Amino acid sequence: AQSVTQPDIHITVSEGASLELRCNYSYGATPYLFWYVQSPGQGLQLLLKYFSGDTLVQGIKGFEAEFKRSQSSFNLRKPSVHWSDAAEYFCAVGRSYNTDKLIFGTGTRLQVFP
Amino acid sequence: GAGVSQTPSNKVTEKGKYVELRCDPISGHTALYWYRQSLGQGPEFLIYFQGTGAADDSGLPNDRFFAVRPEGSVSTLKIQRTERGDSAVYLCASSLNAGEQYFGPGTRLTVT
Repeated sequence: AQSVTQPDIHITVSEGASLELRCNYSYGATPYLFWYVQSPGQGLQLLLKYFSGDTLVQGIKGFEAEFKRSQSSFNLRKPSVHWSDAAEYFCAVGRSYNTDKLIFGTGTRLQVFP
Repeated sequence: GAGVSQTPSNKVTEKGKYVELRCDPISGHTALYWYRQSLGQGPEFLIYFQGTGAADDSGLPNDRFFAVRPEGSVSTLKIQRTERGDSAVYLCASSLNAGEQYFGPGTRLTVT
């Protein structure tokens, strides 16, 4: 069965610092991988996705993620965090042939200090 | 264009009551998904429609939960005999193909 693990429940960084949010997945075939961001009172917004090809994926708001099959990981990175990045971040996995449903991790809450 | 909309934004109901939650997907999107997000958790899949039919309802927790999409557009999630454990944010998403799901703001359901 598919599953997603986000080991860090809460991360605090200073504005301008670099960021890496961890995501590990379990799936037997090539997965579709996603990162979503959820701000308070807002819906989930897609940051980036990986389907195939280049394992380094660029997304919106300056985020990127790298798919590492050998580590079953899809970590999200940003070189310099802005205060507006404070939110909840969710990693999700879908089946390779039909993303009829997404399996989400439990999320990582990012807090940014000025 | 307009995104996915959900009504109501908040719903408070008493234990044992019946509730309906509505989702209006992005125009032209053929696929529609319902998820439930409990406090401190990620969204949990409930049901997926392709057109008017439920292609996968494996996430519905029990037979008190039911969803319809009669004309292939708007969908209603129906919960009978609500329980306090049903309290959560119910999220709806739609997609044009199987690639990217666009989420609505959710309906916060509180069962007292």
